[in-house]
Amino acid sequence: EIVMTQSPGTLSVSPGERATLSCRASQRVSSNLAWYQQKPGQAPRLLIYDTFTRATGIPARFSGRGSGTEFTLTISSLQSEDFAVYFCQQYNNWPRTFGQGTKVEIE
Amino acid sequence: QVQLVESGGGVVQPGGSLRLSCVASGFTFSDYGMHWVRQAPGRGLEWMAVISFDGTTKHYPDSVKGRFTISRDNSQNTLYVEMMSLRPEDTAVYFCAKDPCRRTSCYTYFDHWGQGTLVTVSS
Repeated sequence: EIVMTQSPGTLSVSPGERATLSCRASQRVSSNLAWYQQKPGQAPRLLIYDTFTRATGIPARFSGRGSGTEFTLTISSLQSEDFAVYFCQQYNNWPRTFGQGTKVEIE
Repeated sequence: QVQLVESGGGVVQPGGSLRLSCVASGFTFSDYGMHWVRQAPGRGLEWMAVISFDGTTKHYPDSVKGRFTISRDNSQNTLYVEMMSLRPEDTAVYFCAKDPCRRTSCYTYFDHWGQGTLVTVSS
């Protein structure tokens, strides 16, 4: 099973600042990586798939990059609605696995 | 718009069984693979099962293989999971989620999610 490790666990950021979240895979996953946003009491929402492709309706301030085992999600200028937990997920191997999440909180 | 509505959660004793349902609307259900994903309280996400658009192919992680069975009724736009021999560690919110690939077997990421239904395994 591929283990996905996200860092940091919590990121404290001020509105308007940039946030960079990391996701590392225990084995190469090619570009088969997605990112999700989850707010309290809500279902996850797909943000990014295939490492860098934004899902429908996702603002351009969200961007993804990486390949192999190292991936990042960048939020260029944090808005109030972006404070949430973010998960990465690989779909290169079975079983599909998620990272443990990074909480982005208001500094 | 795509809507997925889960139901069937509740409290069940260890060793018991439960069947969850997910009713889909806003897309051609019979064209897409569907997944179950769970989230233990305060924890991360765990993929549980996938079924192909036509119901012929299913995959599970080892943690639930032999205990959970995914199925679908395309005439009713409904996805199911039958859970048996439940354990306290199966306590979680269970989400159904849609696969993005139409009439192919990609089983990749999850482009739409339901709101989830809570299953609590406790005596």
